[in-house]
Amino acid sequence: DAKTTQPNSMESNEEEPVHLPCNHSTISGTDYIHWYRQLPSQGPEYVIHGLTSNVNNRMASLAIAEDRKSSTLILHRATLRDAAVYYCILGGGFKTIFGAGTRLFVKA
Amino acid sequence: ETGVTQSPTHLIKTRGQQVTLRCSSQSGHNTVSWYQQALGQGPQFIFQYYREEENGRGNFPPRFSGLQFPNYSSELNVNALELDDSALYLCASSSLEEEETQYFGPGTRLLVL
Repeated sequence: DAKTTQPNSMESNEEEPVHLPCNHSTISGTDYIHWYRQLPSQGPEYVIHGLTSNVNNRMASLAIAEDRKSSTLILHRATLRDAAVYYCILGGGFKTIFGAGTRLFVKA
Repeated sequence: ETGVTQSPTHLIKTRGQQVTLRCSSQSGHNTVSWYQQALGQGPQFIFQYYREEENGRGNFPPRFSGLQFPNYSSELNVNALELDDSALYLCASSSLEEEETQYFGPGTRLLVL
């Protein structure tokens, strides 16, 4: 099963961009890269996903390395409401493995 | 469009009892996955149901079982509860047409005493 590696925690100042990295060196050619975030006492929330090309949506941008062995979630302007645990996962269903994620702290 | 809902929100059981947790899928989704999330850890995959059939299972014993109904809602049953079963149980619905993106419910917090 594919696995991902993320830093345990990161810190950002409010209104500044945040780049959350994820390594997935064992990714297969058909695995989508999904990012979710989880606020305290809530279920994970979908943020963004992609396969090969960089992706943008209203919440964030996803930059995928050319060899697909790593990706970066970009929050363009962090707010206090973005403080959460961010998970990078590959595939879905029985291939889904959540690691510990990256806990993002946002300072006012 | 209705999101994923779960019931109950909280539950307290004693060791050895049985519990049933329920999940209603997001409209249009035919796949449901269940996860267990212990405090401070990421969610762990229990199993997935696709069109009423189990479609994959994680490393959980047989006392964890499930059902999916024709309307794609689902149940998670846990028999012979153990103290370590205390966790947040998450349900997520998805559709192959949406590239395996999963939409999670708020979870059921189970405490086993």
